[in-house]
Amino acid sequence: GAVVSQHPSWVICKSGTSVKIECRSLDFQATTMFWYRQFPKQSLMLMATSNEGSKATYEQGVEKDKFLINHASLTLSTLTVTSAHPEDSSFYICSAPPRDRGGNQPQHFGDGTRLSIL
Amino acid sequence: GESVGLHLPTLSVQEGDNSIINCAYSNSASDYFIWYKQESGKGPQFIIDIRSNMDKRQGQRVTVLLNKTVKHLSLQIAATQPGDSAVYFCADRYNYGQNFVFGPGTRLSVLP
Repeated sequence: GAVVSQHPSWVICKSGTSVKIECRSLDFQATTMFWYRQFPKQSLMLMATSNEGSKATYEQGVEKDKFLINHASLTLSTLTVTSAHPEDSSFYICSAPPRDRGGNQPQHFGDGTRLSIL
Repeated sequence: GESVGLHLPTLSVQEGDNSIINCAYSNSASDYFIWYKQESGKGPQFIIDIRSNMDKRQGQRVTVLLNKTVKHLSLQIAATQPGDSAVYFCADRYNYGQNFVFGPGTRLSVLP
């Protein structure tokens, strides 16, 4: 079946560091990918929609300059957390929606990246 | 789904019993619904989906029921097993878009 791979799975770094997270669709092409943020014991909150070949669409309240998204190919989207601070510590998850024959799109998720900023 | 706050509802069931997890959604234009299972430290895993033109769909040990009148979705797990312990999220999509809204989640604990 369709698989989404996310890397790295865990990052610990100092405050002020920029961190890049990769999201790859392994056996299908994804013109669109989604980036979510999840705090402990909370639901997934959509941060942005990554669009291949064009600018990402950010949800209200998400800083574009803070969370840089690049979707340079049909199988790879990257999220860069720039100048990360402790409040950016969270679980970041990507997803990609391959279309099934009926046109519905059960999103497939990566296994997430645990980001801890010291 | 409706993300209604910081509390994660918990459902505890005895191993072998049936589980019912409920979810409310707010958008009457939602046309597609998915249930996901999330284990600790992992991404959500697809369980079952249902379109708005259906009111019931069955999978292996799982059944999803959709009541559009009251905007309610439920996931039934038959003969619950320890491996079913996880957080379950409903998600709904509207207007045939690609964005999904996730519910607050329910933690299912299976007691031995």
